[in-house]
Amino acid sequence: KAGVTQTPRYLIKTRGQQVTLSCSPISGHRSVSWYQQTPGQGLQFLFEYFSETQRNKGNFPGRFSGRQFSNSRSEMNVSTLELGDSALYLCASSRGSGTQYFGPGTRLLVL
Amino acid sequence: GESVGLHLPTLSVQEGDNSIINCAYSNSASDYFIWYKQESGKGPQFIIDIRSNMDKRQGQRVTVLLNKTVKHLSLQIAATQPGDSAVYFCAETGQSDYKLSFGAGTTVTVRA
Repeated sequence: KAGVTQTPRYLIKTRGQQVTLSCSPISGHRSVSWYQQTPGQGLQFLFEYFSETQRNKGNFPGRFSGRQFSNSRSEMNVSTLELGDSALYLCASSRGSGTQYFGPGTRLLVL
Repeated sequence: GESVGLHLPTLSVQEGDNSIINCAYSNSASDYFIWYKQESGKGPQFIIDIRSNMDKRQGQRVTVLLNKTVKHLSLQIAATQPGDSAVYFCAETGQSDYKLSFGAGTTVTVRA
């Protein structure tokens, strides 16, 4: 069974731009979660979607948004990028609750 | 807020020895406890999980122990190999949490 896939793997943007990241969950998994990982803050929860509905949201500004499609694929968007948004963005999927399985991440660098 | 934390930020182990990585958690309502391994440049890789109604679970070369009385979780790796060098995270979640809470991680270095 294929794992979680994320595209793109690497991205370089400048301040003020916006970015969209994509995630395809493991087949049969309907929950997709997004996390931000930085050296200073560690792994922080952004939001979680299940059947196209956001069920939980972390403490991030409104510039961070996401959505989920009917095939469970998910996208997250960051608008008006700031230098501090440089991070590894990780997507994880699960059947609905419990253990989550992670993708390889998207490395975002904001210049 | 409640969080999951690891006791030691680094652990150096001789190849062939057993490793023990510890984690303390504070949310007594958590249902799942999970160990992940993250190598440089990669996403966290699932190692093993344990539900709150269990106190021990074994996998291939790994054992997870859960002590709910003192809210402690540990990961034991048998016969540690160079490929085990990585950062190890414990995480916890509840049935209706829909998110993982992570500790800071322990960097394991295996000495040849």
